[in-house]
Amino acid sequence: GNSVTQMEGPVTLSEEAFLTINCTYTATGYPSLFWYVQYPGEGLQLLLKATKADDKGSNKGFEATYRKETTSFHLEKGSVQVSDSAVYFCALSDLDDYKLSFGAGTTVTVRA
Amino acid sequence: NAGVTQTPKFQVLKTGQSMTLQCAQDMNHNSMYWYRQDPGMGLRLIYYSASEGTTDKGEVPNGYNVSRLNKREFSLRLESAAPSQTSVYFCASSDFIRGLAGDRFLGEQYFGPGTRLTVT
Repeated sequence: GNSVTQMEGPVTLSEEAFLTINCTYTATGYPSLFWYVQYPGEGLQLLLKATKADDKGSNKGFEATYRKETTSFHLEKGSVQVSDSAVYFCALSDLDDYKLSFGAGTTVTVRA
Repeated sequence: NAGVTQTPKFQVLKTGQSMTLQCAQDMNHNSMYWYRQDPGMGLRLIYYSASEGTTDKGEVPNGYNVSRLNKREFSLRLESAAPSQTSVYFCASSDFIRGLAGDRFLGEQYFGPGTRLTVT
């Protein structure tokens, strides 16, 4: 079956530091890959996505590249802000599949 | 557009009580979902409805029932609440996107603000 493994947190950074959150996946088909973000007290919202190998998703300064050879979709941001403090979830969905499989989530705290 | 709305926001139940969580979306999406979120476990799918008139079990359906009342509404019912059902519940909706080759990709899932349920 499908599964997503992402680095455990919590991660604490200073403002303007570089952020990487590792995500690897196992899938039976050829999945689409997603990063969702959950700000305190809110539901999840889509941060970025990629639907095929070598695609790069980007949004709000975050980037992730779909690497089929390493089955990875690592999230990066070059200079984080306090407002980036949130829980980040990696997720995948197979072609023609109604369901998303989520990783456990990584809590990121950015200190001023 | 309100997006996905959920009621109630908070609820405390005693063991054995029943309740229904309500969810509605105004984006005309075909698919709707119920998840639970527990610390360290990410989101786990309870039930989903691929389209109006259909429902299917997810990873953790035991102790829950669902009703897709119409295209907009998807409710989750706990018939006899247990402390293990203490969690934050999220409803979501989405649709498929057709790719250039005619294949289908799951589009963005839009989430409600959640219901925090405590069972004592």
